[in-house]
Amino acid sequence: QKEVEQDPGPLSVPEGAIVSLNCTYSNSAFQYFMWYRQYSRKGPELLMYTYSSGNKEDGRFTAQVDKSSKYISLFIRDSQPSDSATYLCAMSQSPAFQKLVFGTGTRLLVSP
Amino acid sequence: ETGVTQSPTHLIKTRGQQVTLRCSSQSGHNTVSWYQQALGQGPQFIFQYYREEENGRGNFPPRFSGLQFPNYSSELNVNALELDDSALYLCASSLDMGYNTEAFFGQGTRLTVV
Repeated sequence: QKEVEQDPGPLSVPEGAIVSLNCTYSNSAFQYFMWYRQYSRKGPELLMYTYSSGNKEDGRFTAQVDKSSKYISLFIRDSQPSDSATYLCAMSQSPAFQKLVFGTGTRLLVSP
Repeated sequence: ETGVTQSPTHLIKTRGQQVTLRCSSQSGHNTVSWYQQALGQGPQFIFQYYREEENGRGNFPPRFSGLQFPNYSSELNVNALELDDSALYLCASSLDMGYNTEAFFGQGTRLTVV
């Protein structure tokens, strides 16, 4: 069993839809939770970063972490065609951003 | 642009050969990590260097080795290439691993082993 599970998709939605992306994990030692966006032929870029449980909002993006359920989510409101990319969840123990454990990535397609 | 540059962008090698991939970290960053991303998969941690010393290694065999230089640029070396080594290799640099600062990824080197 993988430490981090993520549905690979693809997930196809119309422009303006609310998108929900999720990951589950098994290692309770993870403390830092990230969402990365990766366009084709590019490296991952950080979208959201959360420490421990709770919610964090940044513009159209909301990240949620439920450590009791070992479940994290990313919501995208008013999705745009430019949001079409692969979304990777990633986690680390302390310190943050080091020795990241990634999910498989979910490919999102937003149609005009 | 993250300021992390990798070279070359693409590379084709034959099974059994050796390859060296290079990463130039963002200015002032003393921590670099290397990841392997197979097609359709998420990146997998290979190893990390902090101030020129290896500081952790993922589940990769010893034929994957690395170096970090005094200017904090880095190399990933892979010996005895296998077909399964075909992947996108990413490096990520951060200011200092002790400060919970973001790690910035380069655009990657796509290695094809034939």
